[in-house]
Amino acid sequence: GQQLNQSPQSMFIQEGEDVSMNCTSSSIFNTWLWYKQDPGEGPVLLIALYKAGELTSNGRLTAQFGITRKDSFLNISASIPSDVGIYFCAGRFTYYGGSQGNLIFGKGTKLSVKP
Amino acid sequence: DTEVTQTPKHLVMGMTNKKSLKCEQHMGHRAMYWYKQKAKKPPELMFVYSYEKLSINESVPSRFSPECPNSSLLNLHLHALQPEDSALYLCASSQGLMGPTAGELFFGEGSRLTVL
Repeated sequence: GQQLNQSPQSMFIQEGEDVSMNCTSSSIFNTWLWYKQDPGEGPVLLIALYKAGELTSNGRLTAQFGITRKDSFLNISASIPSDVGIYFCAGRFTYYGGSQGNLIFGKGTKLSVKP
Repeated sequence: DTEVTQTPKHLVMGMTNKKSLKCEQHMGHRAMYWYKQKAKKPPELMFVYSYEKLSINESVPSRFSPECPNSSLLNLHLHALQPEDSALYLCASSQGLMGPTAGELFFGEGSRLTVL
């Protein structure tokens, strides 16, 4: 089945540093999404990408849908302590006729920010 | 209102107990999901309901029984669970299963289940 490789698995950074994480897939997706999960909470959608090559920002977050449709990147600029959490990429494939495949999650990137 | 509300937040049950997890959303979403999440792992899909009908069952053991009484409510009935079923159970909703926004899931905070 489809699998997503998300890296890095974890990151320890200093407050103010920029962060970059990515996801790659062995097959193509039509939609890439990035979620963040705080401890004891459910995941929250950060950014959704729908078109190959698309670059989308949400505040200090920027994500890109790779040209090959097999990868996506998330960058966080000038990190702050509240950026701590687990970031999950997720991909989805749309079949002919419009029906959606299941959402496939990456294994997550755990971000720790040192003040 | 962009919330998905789950109750209870924490549940401890024995292997012979029967309990239920509840989920509610008032965003007019037509698709609702149950996910299971183990520590340090991504959410794992269990069930999907679309327009109150079961659309996907990811080969979940019958000791988990979902129910969608109406478009706003989703229940997960638990019976004869095993200790390895201990996990965070997440409910989510989306506008529907078709179209590009189908992947935009709104998650609840989860129900932390411990099976003794």
